[in-house]
Amino acid sequence: QVQLVQSGAEVKKPGSSVKVSCKASGGTFSSYTISWVRQAPGQGLEWMGRIIPILGIANYAQKFQGRVTITADKSTSTAYMELSSLRSEDTAVYYCARDDGGNRNDYWGQGTLVTVSS
Amino acid sequence: QSALTQPPSASGSPGQSVTISCTGTSSDVGGYNYVSWYQQHPGKAPKLMIYEVSKRPSGVPDRFSGSKSGNTASLTVSGLQAEDEADYYCSSYAGSNNLRVVFGGGTKLTVL
Repeated sequence: QVQLVQSGAEVKKPGSSVKVSCKASGGTFSSYTISWVRQAPGQGLEWMGRIIPILGIANYAQKFQGRVTITADKSTSTAYMELSSLRSEDTAVYYCARDDGGNRNDYWGQGTLVTVSS
Repeated sequence: QSALTQPPSASGSPGQSVTISCTGTSSDVGGYNYVSWYQQHPGKAPKLMIYEVSKRPSGVPDRFSGSKSGNTASLTVSGLQAEDEADYYCSSYAGSNNLRVVFGGGTKLTVL
């Protein structure tokens, strides 16, 4: 049984950065993809990007290109999503999810609320 | 504006069937058989209900089914139950050289 446990809620100032972690247990971390999806208050799901830990290769949604960095540490089975130049519109719950191939996000983290406020 | 278009709301009485559509383009829904559907209850993480257009993960009731025709995918919930009331999101691979994922705007399903 795969479990994804994310880091706790964050409050950030506009212009700063945030780094959210997602620690996986169960399964073989390197063998699947980790995606990051966010959800602003009262809004829908928005895909940000993903990483294939075994390759260390990430790709991103065009909207976040240049502002988001997704990394993975195979030694600790942990994925990270760092978002920079934060603005109020980035206030959202950020989720990590395991993509077991073919856009099959079958396990999700509990979500991390990031609040951007001055 | 979401990449995939879903109706904002749908409803049905217990025992009835409801179908939610998800319209994209030939670059996403129409170009890949990697359409997924997620159920989300308030305050909870999304739950995978359908993947690869019509496959159900273990544990998902067979009341949930998926299909696709051209650029439009559909989720049908048969024999509606109170616990099916939730938000539903479709998702698809998109692009080619830089494969990405797109979501629909979500549909609020109300069980009357």
